[in-house]
Amino acid sequence: DVKVTQSSRYLVKRTGEKVFLECVQDMDHENMFWYRQDPGLGLRLIYFSYDVKMKEKGDIPEGYSVSREKKERFSLILESASTNQTSMYLCASSFGTDYSNQPQHFGDGTRLSIL
Amino acid sequence: AQKVTQAQTEISVVEKEDVTLDCVYETRDTTYYLFWYKQPPSGELVFLIRRNSFDEQNEISGRYSWNFQKSTSSFNFTITASQVVDSAVYFCALRDPGGFKTIFGAGTRLFVKA
Repeated sequence: DVKVTQSSRYLVKRTGEKVFLECVQDMDHENMFWYRQDPGLGLRLIYFSYDVKMKEKGDIPEGYSVSREKKERFSLILESASTNQTSMYLCASSFGTDYSNQPQHFGDGTRLSIL
Repeated sequence: AQKVTQAQTEISVVEKEDVTLDCVYETRDTTYYLFWYKQPPSGELVFLIRRNSFDEQNEISGRYSWNFQKSTSSFNFTITASQVVDSAVYFCALRDPGGFKTIFGAGTRLFVKA
């Protein structure tokens, strides 16, 4: 079974802090994703990576950056955390270059609170 | 623009009832993919099914069944004889070929009471 592991289930940070959310997958998947999930809005894509050091902006990249130095690890960075970034963050991975029809495998999520 | 609408925000049923979760989508593409995911209270989204736009066959997997109708742009999900373990948030999603973006609906929260 694919395992996508997010470093924290719950995280509390302060406004202005630099925050790192880590995600590791163990199935050698090419593609990795970061989403945020808010009530009534479903999941919204923040960033996507299809290869090491490659990234694409999603729908809501403002205030975030990402890093993918190794194939199995995809980090989401909040450069200067703000209260409107309080949310549930979900990492996902998928197989192959034809990523359009492959299901995504998700981690358990990180519930981030910015005070 | 692509869009997925799950009009039912919350549904509450009693165990053993059948329940249908609605999903309506919008896209200009002729080729696309539809997905259903389940998010139990633990938080992890679990993939349930994928359907491509050329395959309109309905699918049944145990107590789960899916009804895909291109004519009405709907991809509805039915749980037969619901169980408490079915309690979760269910997401319908749409993706176009060659695209990495998945458009998720807002989700339907299903409560199954014993």
